[in-house]
Amino acid sequence: RKEVEQDPGPFNVPEGATVAFNCTYSNSASQSFFWYRQDCRKEPKLLMSVYSSGNEDGRFTAQLNRASQYISLLIRDSKLSDSATYLCVVNNFNKFYFGSGTKLNVKP
Amino acid sequence: GAVVSQHPSWVICKSGTSVKIECRSLDFQATTMFWYRQFPKQSLMLMATSNEGSKATYEQGVEKDKFLINHASLTLSTLTVTSAHPEDSSFYICSARTGGKSEAFFGQGTRLTVV
Repeated sequence: RKEVEQDPGPFNVPEGATVAFNCTYSNSASQSFFWYRQDCRKEPKLLMSVYSSGNEDGRFTAQLNRASQYISLLIRDSKLSDSATYLCVVNNFNKFYFGSGTKLNVKP
Repeated sequence: GAVVSQHPSWVICKSGTSVKIECRSLDFQATTMFWYRQFPKQSLMLMATSNEGSKATYEQGVEKDKFLINHASLTLSTLTVTSAHPEDSSFYICSARTGGKSEAFFGQGTRLTVV
């Protein structure tokens, strides 16, 4: 079983739409959680950490449900520049495991 | 955010030769560095984790004698792909973290093509 599972998408949405991604992880002892963004042929860049209480950064909201072992990312008012692959990342005992990524295409 | 520099950004080598990739943390001390491999349209696969001054821990299925990792200082780790073959062609990315932060920061990646 994979450490982290994500729907690969793609999610094709119009500008201004709200879109949500989910991700599940297998190890209940995982310590920390992140969303990274990866543009085509580039390295991943940290988008935001995910806290148990949920956290928001502008148009982005991340939530963690430890009981169900899933993480979510909500993007409001999508912009064309949000088009990318979003990677769910889980830290297990100092090892970072990545989901396969969810591709988002925001269209005019 | 913290800066991680990876070099070279791309390399083409002949089958059977060895290639060294460097990963440097420029403005922080990287107590732990990670090496990943990413094939087209696939996720990043963790290859190994290294802590400064100690031997790297390899993930299952990764040959430690083929992918030599050295983490000799708190700012530098190297990955050497020995006796490279075409199937080793991939995007290799390093990341680093410091003890004070929970997240990891990534190098720009190295696109390796073995011909």
